[in-house]
Amino acid sequence: EDQVTQSPEALRLQEGESSSLNCSYTVSGLRGLFWYRQDPGKGPEFLFTLYSAGEEKEKERLKATLTKKESFLHITAPKPEDSATYLCAVQASNNAGNMLTFGGGTRLMVKP
Amino acid sequence: DADVTQTPRNRITKTGKRIMLECSQTKGHDRMYWYRQDPGLGLRLIYYSFDVKDINKGEISDGYSVSRQAQAKFSLSLESAIPNQTALYFCATSDEQYFGPGTRLTVT
Repeated sequence: EDQVTQSPEALRLQEGESSSLNCSYTVSGLRGLFWYRQDPGKGPEFLFTLYSAGEEKEKERLKATLTKKESFLHITAPKPEDSATYLCAVQASNNAGNMLTFGGGTRLMVKP
Repeated sequence: DADVTQTPRNRITKTGKRIMLECSQTKGHDRMYWYRQDPGLGLRLIYYSFDVKDINKGEISDGYSVSRQAQAKFSLSLESAIPNQTALYFCATSDEQYFGPGTRLTVT
């Protein structure tokens, strides 16, 4: 059974204080690992897909990295507008439906 | 304009009532998905569709049914709503799962 665990559950940062969010996964063959941002009352917003260990992707202050067991979302010099819940999900290569298994999310709060 | 729209955005209904949630997309994607989100349980897949003639059950399909009326439209129905179906419902499209804004459903 595919599993995704995100840590920490909540993270409070001061503006400008860089940090990382963790996504640990177990999957029977990884097709892709996905990161999303979700604001309260809204649908998740697609950020990145990573396909193989060693791959990195960047978007503004966010950088996602991938190993064979986990992914990190690095946030550099965060701003209050980066406050949101960040979701990680995996897609297994033997999954005919391309279904995603989601983690519980990390709620990030950035204070000015 | 939003690429994925959902209606209604909020709905309160009573136990036993039939309710339909609708999803439309302008992205031209063949694949569409319905999820529910509950505090502490994350997002869970209800149904998915690869095209108009292809409907598949997800992780938690009991108590739900779907209809893919066209490439752009995918509806989720609760035939007889029950209180534990109170949740946020999201529609998504394509393998990357571009999500709609969600429907907050409350069953009393």
